Amino acid sequence: ETGVTQTPRHLVMGMTNKKSLKCEQHLGHNAMYWYKQSAKKPLELMFVYNFKEQTENNSVPSRFSPECPNSSHLFLHLHTLQPEDSALYLCASSQDGAGVREKLFFGSGTQLSVL
Amino acid sequence: GQNIDQPTEMTATEGAIVQINCTYQTSGFNGLFWYQQHAGEAPTFLSYNVLDGLEEKGRFSSFLSRSKGYSYLLLKELQMKDSASYLCAVRENSGYALNFGKGTSLLVTP
Repeated sequence: ETGVTQTPRHLVMGMTNKKSLKCEQHLGHNAMYWYKQSAKKPLELMFVYNFKEQTENNSVPSRFSPECPNSSHLFLHLHTLQPEDSALYLCASSQDGAGVREKLFFGSGTQLSVL
Repeated sequence: GQNIDQPTEMTATEGAIVQINCTYQTSGFNGLFWYQQHAGEAPTFLSYNVLDGLEEKGRFSSFLSRSKGYSYLLLKELQMKDSASYLCAVRENSGYALNFGKGTSLLVTP
């Protein structure tokens, strides 16, 4: 069982819908991340939270809205998405953001399709 | 910003050795990571290099040359379960997060 759990695993939504992706980590980590994985493209960093504070927003469109209520939970709220937003959305965590050796632990992702 | 390059696809035979290369250009370097990702699953950590040289861990080894901006992942005694995507990622001095290459899809054949 992975220490980082994402729900739902699959999501299909229309462009006018509002939905949320959820991530929960059971590792006692303090940093959490959202990445986007599209076919034929590298993983793209979207957001970083460290001790519940957003430390990076990688020029992500405002139709993606993150929320980190505590160090164990991370959400990605979606509204008025475009078909090109269809991708695998991966959540990750690490002990904290400062350690150079720190590896990221990933969830299995939410496969999102926007119709 | 960074530019991280790795081959798109590789094929190797069960029991053989395969080397997956990664080159990078970065304004600051704070370590290179290799991850393995099976289809539909989470990427999982394989190795970390921050100093030049070879790090060995069982059947997998990773090498780094900082002056050349180059790393490779070496997989020995290949098994069918090693068929997966292998992701090279670099951490810059300035950030927490990892920047990834596009990944190399490895197919191990009987």
